Amino acid sequence: GAVVSQHPSWVICKSGTSVKIECRSLDFQATTMFWYRQFPKQSLMLMATSNEGSKATYEQGVEKDKFLINHASLTLSTLTVTSAHPEDSSFYICSAPGQSSYEQYFGPGTRLTVT
Amino acid sequence: TQLLEQSPQFLSIQEGENLTVYCNSSSVFSSLQWYRQEPGEGPVLLVTVVTGGEVKKLKRLTFQFGDARKDSSLHITAAQPGDTGLYLCAGGSNFNKFYFGSGTKLNVKP
Repeated sequence: GAVVSQHPSWVICKSGTSVKIECRSLDFQATTMFWYRQFPKQSLMLMATSNEGSKATYEQGVEKDKFLINHASLTLSTLTVTSAHPEDSSFYICSAPGQSSYEQYFGPGTRLTVT
Repeated sequence: TQLLEQSPQFLSIQEGENLTVYCNSSSVFSSLQWYRQEPGEGPVLLVTVVTGGEVKKLKRLTFQFGDARKDSSLHITAAQPGDTGLYLCAGGSNFNKFYFGSGTKLNVKP
């Protein structure tokens, strides 16, 4: 099956700094990718849809200026958490759709800890 | 606010027991998926149901999509410790966009 990777798998940063998370589709192209956030013991919350070559679309309540998304190629989307605060500490997961409208492939996730 | 609500939120049972997890919404979805997630990992797809009333079986797991495509259930027969994990339903809308349910944490004790 299709593979989606994320880098880094975990990162620790200081409050006020920015951190970039990469999401790559390894053996297929993805014009769209999705970013989710998951707090401990909670479910995945859809943050935004990353669109190749155009602006990302954000879900209600997600700060566009804080969570910068760039989808510069058909295999790479990046999520940058700007001016990170401890409350941004979370598990960030990306996914990319498959050929059918029902398929989506998840990355392994990135654990962000802001100190 | 979650579009999909799962119940129960937590479930702790003995090995060999049966259980059912429910996923409910007021919205209609084009498809409904069930995932299982282990701590620190991404969710793993168990099944996709797309037709109202559809029932799918995967070994000891039985999945059903409601007739109105607003709800679903997951039934596990003779649960085993290896079934322990976080079970998530996800409703599919346009453009491959999926919204996840609130999650059910299952613990099966040996």
